[in-house]
Amino acid sequence: SQKIEQNSEALNIQEGKTATLTCNYTNYSPAYLQWYRQDPGRGPVFLLLIRENEKEKRKERLKVTFDTTLKQSLFHITASQPADSATYLCALDDNNAGNMLTFGGGTRLMVKP
Amino acid sequence: NAGVTQTPKFQVLKTGQSMTLQCAQDMNHEYMSWYRQDPGMGLRLIHYSVGAGITDQGEVPNGYNVSRSTTEDFPLRLLSAAPSQTSVYFCASSNGQGWTEAFFGQGTRLTVV
Repeated sequence: SQKIEQNSEALNIQEGKTATLTCNYTNYSPAYLQWYRQDPGRGPVFLLLIRENEKEKRKERLKVTFDTTLKQSLFHITASQPADSATYLCALDDNNAGNMLTFGGGTRLMVKP
Repeated sequence: NAGVTQTPKFQVLKTGQSMTLQCAQDMNHEYMSWYRQDPGMGLRLIHYSVGAGITDQGEVPNGYNVSRSTTEDFPLRLLSAAPSQTSVYFCASSNGQGWTEAFFGQGTRLTVV
């Protein structure tokens, strides 16, 4: 069956360091992969999308990589700040028609001052 | 723009009761979906729609019905509430080639007793 895996354990890092979150998937051939941020009690908010033919995408302090051979995406936050503390979710289109968006379980990031 | 609006924000139901969770978007998006989020399980897709008059099942459709009579509205009906349906429900919409950026509502926290 199709599966998206994110580290369920919280990631604790010191302010100013780079946070790296991992998203692994099996049995997919996604056309694109997305990352979302979710704060407690709120809906997810879109951050970045990377397509299968793109190796890397950047937006301000965020960087996403996409390795379709390894079936893995890495999400980096450089110069992390306490305000970056949240749960980060990766998502894939569940079929190549792009009709369904399926999410991983999310990784909680805690940035300590 | 209001974006994606969900009502109610909180609801308590007794086992066996029925109710409708409302979702409306004012962005003229074709794609809409319902997810439920449980602790440790991430977002699971219940039903989705790729346009008015078109709906399909996601990963966990049992016990839920949807309809899409207009582009704006995508209500989720619980036919006979069960304690297992206690969860936070999110509605999402997207306009693009597939789910290239999903916009989420604030969620409905449902408790079934």
